[in-house]
Parts: sequence; structure tokens; C-alpha cells
Amino acid sequence: QQQVKQSPQSLIVQKGGISIINCAYENTAFDYFPWYQQFPGKGPALLIAIRPDVSEKKEGRFTISFNKSAKQFSLHIMDSQPGDSATYFCAASMKGGSTLGRLYFGRGTQLTVWP
Amino acid sequence: EAGVAQSPRYKIIEKRQSVAFWCNPISGHATLYWYQQILGQGPKLLIQFQNNGVVDDSQLPKDRFSAERLKGVDSTLKIQPAKLEDSAVYLCASSPQTGYSGNTIYFGEGSWLTVV
Repeated sequence: QQQVKQSPQSLIVQKGGISIINCAYENTAFDYFPWYQQFPGKGPALLIAIRPDVSEKKEGRFTISFNKSAKQFSLHIMDSQPGDSATYFCAASMKGGSTLGRLYFGRGTQLTVWP
Repeated sequence: EAGVAQSPRYKIIEKRQSVAFWCNPISGHATLYWYQQILGQGPKLLIQFQNNGVVDDSQLPKDRFSAERLKGVDSTLKIQPAKLEDSAVYLCASSPQTGYSGNTIYFGEGSWLTVV
């Protein structure tokens, strides 16, 4: 059972455009929501993360929007650049219990930014 | 700061053979993870260590997979015998703190396994 559902599976955006990737979850025990970026042949790397006590977090061109009541969160990449072309994973981890710190990943979104 | 080191990077084996992957986490990181990433999917946790103790191995196929973390530092993941469906990237990761859901988890570049 996929704990975190991610869409779309692939995304093509023109350079300078906005890329939007969406994720949804059901488990209310999740309290930490990171986004990871993965380039071909590399391991995932943390991009930005949010906790459910805030509705938005911005770091440079990357913004997470979080809707606690809807149990949804999204990644917005402003002014998308060809160098942003990668696979993006949303993830979640939960407070408490033996799985503390474990990340549950979405299936990933392959982003292609055309110059 | 050196990252998570993994070896070998690539391995091709025949089904029913065995393979072992090695991981050296970031110095001082107490928590070590092994994730399996099948092509086109997100990473899935296989096993989590806290120092040299197992915290979570509920998703580890124990009939063929085994893992250990020696002296709370390096770790090895072994598959024996391998099946075709084990073809995947095996990602080792580490994080510095315990008891905290907001740990940044640092991934290695992965060990790519092809079972033919």
C-alpha cells in the first residue's frame, strides 16, 4: 500500500515556467514532509522540507505548500531551469514508534525542463 | 564532509547467485538505512539500524536478504539467492540523530544490481 501518493508521473515544462508536483497522504501520524531531488546515477538529495504547523515554506525558487485538512502538499518550482530536470520524490515520516525517522516515498515525478 | 560511500556501484549476477553490498555512512551518524529502489519507483525501506541494533526490518525479505552493521559503523547487505525481481538500486543512507522525525537523511549514490 502506497502511503504517499504522488502525481504526475512525468512533467514537461518550458524554461521559465512553473513546475507543480502534488502529493497526498492518509496517515495523520506523519509530521515531517521532505522533498528529494534525484539526478540520474545519483542518490536522492534533500531539497526542501516542511512540518504541518506551517502552510508554506519557500527556499529560493522552491516552495512547498501544505494543506493539513486535505492531507495534501505540493512542490512549486518557479522559473524552472534545464538544470532542474531530475526526478522529484515527496516523502513523509512519522512521529513516535519504532519507525521514527523512516521515510515513506512517493513514486516520483520525472521533470524535464526544455530550454 | 565525506558523504555516504557505497560499493560496488554496479553488479551483474545470475539468478540464484549471491551478492553483497557495502556501505560506510557519514562519520558520527547513528542511524543507517538500506533502501531498495526499483526502476521507476520511489525508494522502499528494507532495514533501519540504530547504532548496531536493528530498529525496523519488517520489509526485508528475510529468506534471502540479510544485513548487519559492524560496530555501529559500516554495514553490509547480502542477497542469497538472488531472484530476477531483485534487480534494483540499493541505496544506503544515514542520519545523525535519534528519536527525531525531522532528521535529514543523506543517501549514497547506490549500488546497481542486475540479476539475469
